[in-house]
Amino acid sequence: QVTLKESGPGILQPSQTLSLTCTFSGFSLSTYGMGVGWIRQPSGKGLEWLANIWWDDDKYYNPSLKNRLTISKDTSNNQAFLKITNVDTADTATYYCARIGGGGLAYWGQGTLVTVSS
Amino acid sequence: DIVMTQAPLSVSVTPGESASISCRSSKSLLHSNGITYVYWYLQKPGKSPQLLIYRMSNLASGVPDRFSGSGSETDFTLKISRVEAEDVGIYYCGQLLENPYTFGAGTKLELK
Repeated sequence: QVTLKESGPGILQPSQTLSLTCTFSGFSLSTYGMGVGWIRQPSGKGLEWLANIWWDDDKYYNPSLKNRLTISKDTSNNQAFLKITNVDTADTATYYCARIGGGGLAYWGQGTLVTVSS
Repeated sequence: DIVMTQAPLSVSVTPGESASISCRSSKSLLHSNGITYVYWYLQKPGKSPQLLIYRMSNLASGVPDRFSGSGSETDFTLKISRVEAEDVGIYYCGQLLENPYTFGAGTKLELK
């Protein structure tokens, strides 16, 4: 059974660094073809792809936020991470991680709400 | 970036009737391997998105066969036959052909 769960700080102040963790089970990020992606959704709005990391440690960042994003993984502990530097109120959103496999984004986490406020 | 354009933005359907949602991509989603990398998701109120259709026309596991996907290289359709109350939510198309992966703006399905 594949599960993913996001965790984050809940609330942080402008200019701080947002650190998110995706803890998953039921698959390994060392398996050929597997990847994990981060997607966010401001309240009442659509889905925005942020970054993805693959089994071979290949990484991709959305150019619109590229200089602020860092994605990484800990294969031994079945975790993926995303850091966003210099946050502002526009980064307030629910952040999801999802498994990327041959069948697309078949598994999503429950999401973690992040609020940026002074 | 590949732009995914959905229509309509909202649709109101009588239970038991059918509904169709369209999605157009700004670039062909047909890979040289013959796979078309378009996907459909449903986000029910207060929930995470769930996969309905993968690679244009394949039904995801556990999804009722009332859902079907079809299309060409750039124009895609999600059809819901015999709409039920549990189908209410926002439907998104998305592409996984090339980075950055992108989604349509969503289509809200409501019941009449």
